Amino acid sequence: AQRVTQPEKLLSVFKGAPVELKCNYSYSGSPELFWYVQYSRQRLQLLLRHISRESIKGFTADLNKGETSFHLKKPFAQEEDSAMYYCALRTGGYALNFGKGTSLLVTP
Amino acid sequence: DAGVTQSPTHLIKTRGQHVTLRCSPISGHKSVSWYQQVLGQGPQFIFQYYEKEERGRGNFPDRFSARQFPNYSSELNVNALLLGDSALYLCASSLDRVLYEQYFGPGTRLTVT
Repeated sequence: AQRVTQPEKLLSVFKGAPVELKCNYSYSGSPELFWYVQYSRQRLQLLLRHISRESIKGFTADLNKGETSFHLKKPFAQEEDSAMYYCALRTGGYALNFGKGTSLLVTP
Repeated sequence: DAGVTQSPTHLIKTRGQHVTLRCSPISGHKSVSWYQQVLGQGPQFIFQYYEKEERGRGNFPDRFSARQFPNYSSELNVNALLLGDSALYLCASSLDRVLYEQYFGPGTRLTVT
């Protein structure tokens, strides 16, 4: 079965500290992985996808097939990064399978 | 473009009733997907429609149905509402089924009492 696990419901860091949001997946095929973000009172939006291998707002994520992980990282957290982050796995070409989300709080 | 729009914003229904939720995709987008997000959980896939045909269905009972119209807007229908159907229902549109990013709407908050 396909599953996405985000082990932390809440992650609190200080401004300027590194941040890592964990995501593990289970899928026997070739996964497509995404990070979505939802800022307060805004709609869910795509942050980055593993196939593009780009950095968005200072965030990066590397797909590790051996560890079946797709952790989201940023070296220096900013207060505006506070939001809900969802890891998602796409299988079968269309449906997104989301984790439960991690709430990131960056405090000054 | 206002992005994906959904109506209504909020809705309160009683058990056993029927509800229809509506979604208008971004202009030019032909694919619409529906997701249910229960409080404290991530969105869960319900349906995908592309070119007015159902292309994918999640693990939801037959009480849930949807359709897509010639202008690519979509409706999600839920019959015989249960308390457990209370959730935020999200619509997402994309240019096609697979390759392009899904853009999410603000959602419809359904409360079943």
